[in-house]
Amino acid sequence: AQSVTQLGSHVSVSEGALVLLRCNYSSSVPPYLFWYVQYPNQGLQLLLKYTTGATLVKGINGFEAEFKKSETSFHLTKPSAHMSDAAEYFCAVSGFGTYKYIFGTGTRLKVLA
Amino acid sequence: EPEVTQTPSHQVTQMGQEVILRCVPISNHLYFYWYRQILGQKVEFLVSFYNNEISEKSEIFDDQFSVERPDGSNFTLKIRSTKLEDSAMYFCASMGTGVGYTFGSGTRLTVV
Repeated sequence: AQSVTQLGSHVSVSEGALVLLRCNYSSSVPPYLFWYVQYPNQGLQLLLKYTTGATLVKGINGFEAEFKKSETSFHLTKPSAHMSDAAEYFCAVSGFGTYKYIFGTGTRLKVLA
Repeated sequence: EPEVTQTPSHQVTQMGQEVILRCVPISNHLYFYWYRQILGQKVEFLVSFYNNEISEKSEIFDDQFSVERPDGSNFTLKIRSTKLEDSAMYFCASMGTGVGYTFGSGTRLTVV
């Protein structure tokens, strides 16, 4: 069985500040982990994914995430927030042999001028 | 970049009516999925489809729902008799040999 917990349904940061969105997972198989972004009234856009190999994964728009098996975490970071980063962010887990995604409840990021 | 195309983008239907949501997956992809997102809630798995049959479905995917790949390119989700609680954004996704989906932009279904 798999599950995802996203801590903080709403996160506010100042423009230029560090963005940190938290994701913890549980999985009975080696996990595949994903971050998606959803802008208002739009679909889901892949930011980055971890499957195997390097645990620090770089994605689009300056985002990156680190897979930490010991902490069962896959937190999303960006060094400097931009106004255009305001959106909802979803963490998801799947795994080898079960490509169904389990999504977290999402974190709405607000960027303050 | 290849896209997953969903039509219509918005659909309003009366309770009890049948609706068909359409998706055109990426042409060389083999795995197909439907997810839904009720307003303000998380994205939930409905069904996966591979080799012309359902490979997995959730408890949400009851007898009112069906999927079909009628012509080798389209992938459809049918809801036989819509309920108010079926109002949601429905996302189609497809996956090839690599790991990770491409999602469509969704169909917003409103049942009145």
